Amino acid sequence: EAGVTQSPTHLIKTRGQQATLRCSPISGHTSVYWYQQALGLGLQFLLWYDEGEERNRGNFPPRFSGRQFPNYSSELNVNALELEDSALYLCASSYGTSGGAFVEQFFGPGTRLTVL
Amino acid sequence: KNQVEQSPQSLIILEGKNCTLQCNYTVSPFSNLRWYKQDTGRGPVSLTIMTFSENTKSNGRYTATLDADTKQSSLHITASQLSDSASYICVVSYSNSWGKLQFGAGTQVVVTP
Repeated sequence: EAGVTQSPTHLIKTRGQQATLRCSPISGHTSVYWYQQALGLGLQFLLWYDEGEERNRGNFPPRFSGRQFPNYSSELNVNALELEDSALYLCASSYGTSGGAFVEQFFGPGTRLTVL
Repeated sequence: KNQVEQSPQSLIILEGKNCTLQCNYTVSPFSNLRWYKQDTGRGPVSLTIMTFSENTKSNGRYTATLDADTKQSSLHITASQLSDSASYICVVSYSNSWGKLQFGAGTQVVVTP
C-alpha cells in the first residue's frame, strides 16, 4: 500500500512569492492534515481538511491556505512568503471523520521550503 | 509556553542500553497522547497511542506510560539499537478541537556502538 506522498521534495522561493505544496493521502483516507516544522522547533498544526472542507485551523495567518480536491488530495498555498516561512511542511492523512482524536495519522516525507 | 514539554532535549546512549524519555503536558481538555519516532528528513511514525484511561502501552521494545492525573508520560526504550537513533516526539490531542494536535519539540536520541 502506497503511503502519503508529497511534492515537491524541495522548493526554493524568494520573499513575497507564493508557494504551492501538494499532498496525496493514502488510498481510502478522507482526512488530510498540514503541519509546519521550523528548524529546531516542534511541529505546528496548520490545517485539517476532511471531505473537501476545512475542519480546523491552527494559529497561522490567512496567507496560509489550502484546499482538498474530490480525490482527497490536498494543496497548501502560502502567499506573500516571508523568511520565517522556511520550514519542513508535513502532510498527514487518516481514515474517518473523527478528526484525528482517536484516528491514526500517517505522515508523508515532507516538502522542504526555503525562502530567500 | 509550549503545552507539551519534553526532556531531555537530547540523549546519547550505548547500543544495548535502556533509556527513558519524559513528556509533561498541560493540554486540556485531554483526549489522547501519542509517541512518534521521526528519522532525520522523514515524516513521524506512530509508536503508541494512549487515552486517559490507559496507563501503559507497548510496541516491541518501546513502552509508553501515562499518568493523566499528573499529566506526565514516559517512553522507555529497551535494549537500544543503532536504528533507534531518531527524534522522539510526544503529541497530545485536544478533546474539544478535533484534528488539532499539540506537539512537543522532541528528544533527539543517538545510539552509539
